[in-house]
Amino acid sequence: EIVLTQSPGTLSLSPGERATLSCRASQSLSSSYLAWYQQKPGQPPRLVIYDTSRRATGIPDRFSGSASGTDFTLTISRLEPEDFAVYYCQQFGRSLNMYTFGQGTKLDIK
Amino acid sequence: QVQLVQSGAEVKKPGASVKVSCKASGYSFMSNAIHWVRQAPGQRLEWMGWVHAANGYTTYSEKFQGRVTITRDTSATTAYMELSSLTSEDTAVYYCARGANGGFDSWGQGTLVTVSS
Repeated sequence: EIVLTQSPGTLSLSPGERATLSCRASQSLSSSYLAWYQQKPGQPPRLVIYDTSRRATGIPDRFSGSASGTDFTLTISRLEPEDFAVYYCQQFGRSLNMYTFGQGTKLDIK
Repeated sequence: QVQLVQSGAEVKKPGASVKVSCKASGYSFMSNAIHWVRQAPGQRLEWMGWVHAANGYTTYSEKFQGRVTITRDTSATTAYMELSSLTSEDTAVYYCARGANGGFDSWGQGTLVTVSS
């Protein structure tokens, strides 16, 4: 089973700053199916990035996703007040037809 | 627009079962899978399993195998998740979500299931 480890646990930044969130997989993923979700208190998650780097419908272009080996990154170029939330990464393991989530990174207003 | 509307909150006693529904609209129900994901208080999201709406094929997480049953009713464009032998550790918000591109592109509003004696 692939384990996704996100870092940092909490990231405190100010609006206008750049945010870099990390998600490391315990082994190489068999596909590019790595997604990122944003979740605000009391709400369901919202898809932000899919297929490692594709923005979901309605997601502004300040959000971007990238990968290097087993390390995946979500970057928010200039934080807006509405971006402060918890972010989860998620992968789809095609060989076992299973899905797993990271433990989340809380993006806090400094 | 795509909408997934779930049934309301449930309170169950330990050992009981719970069945949560997820009514889909705004897209061709048969074209996608419906997944179930849960989130215990303050915890990460946890994938439970999925059903493909077209053929009823299911896959379950090993953690829930034998205890969860996911079904669908194509005439009602509704998916269901039933979890049995409940314990306090099953207290969580349960979400349905539409599968697409290896992820989940639309989510229901969540159903709180509380297990308490």
